[in-house]
Amino acid sequence: GQSLEQPSEVTAVEGAIVQINCTYQTSGFYGLSWYQQHDGGAPTFLSYNALDGLEETGRFSSFLSRSDSYGYLLLQELQMKDSASYFCAVSVYNFNKFYFGSGTKLNVKP
Amino acid sequence: GAVVSQHPSWVICKSGTSVKIECRSLDFQATTMFWYRQFPKQSLMLMATSNEGSKATYEQGVEKDKFLINHASLTLSTLTVTSAHPEDSSFYICSASRRGHRDGGTDTQYFGPGTRLTVL
Repeated sequence: GQSLEQPSEVTAVEGAIVQINCTYQTSGFYGLSWYQQHDGGAPTFLSYNALDGLEETGRFSSFLSRSDSYGYLLLQELQMKDSASYFCAVSVYNFNKFYFGSGTKLNVKP
Repeated sequence: GAVVSQHPSWVICKSGTSVKIECRSLDFQATTMFWYRQFPKQSLMLMATSNEGSKATYEQGVEKDKFLINHASLTLSTLTVTSAHPEDSSFYICSASRRGHRDGGTDTQYFGPGTRLTVL
């Protein structure tokens, strides 16, 4: 089966940098994705890592260490609109099936 | 582009009735469609993977006879919750993989807006 762990909640102030960690246990690991979900809305794709290292996309970066079964999402220059839940998700066996972590609620304060 | 719709957006039904939820990729052909359910403040739980013209693959613990999935075309998949009970009340979300579009090494998944089911 699959197991993913994330912190349940994180609070930070506008303009700050926050890191959301994700550890996973799975067989047939293929890649780690990150999604953002605002209350009542659908998840939206943020980033994907299949290889070790850092992927940067604007204010968001994602990191993966396959040997440590660990990844993180880094959000820089936080804005109020970044307040949302963030999910890591593993894809397995190249079938593009996604298993989601429990989600981290990010609260951005003025 | 890459819009996925769901219908209805919300539904309230009586216990024992069946409810059908549609998932459509509006402007692209979907390689695969996925169905998830999400309880309040919890994660998305993958229920099943659906490929056009073939039987859906259900995740462990998901009742095939309770959650019927039909994938009639490359743009439409339906989830029918049969004999619904209050414990089936949840947020059901579908996603579609877009053929030929990849983010990094994986097919991009586009999520529908979700359907909130309340069973009385």
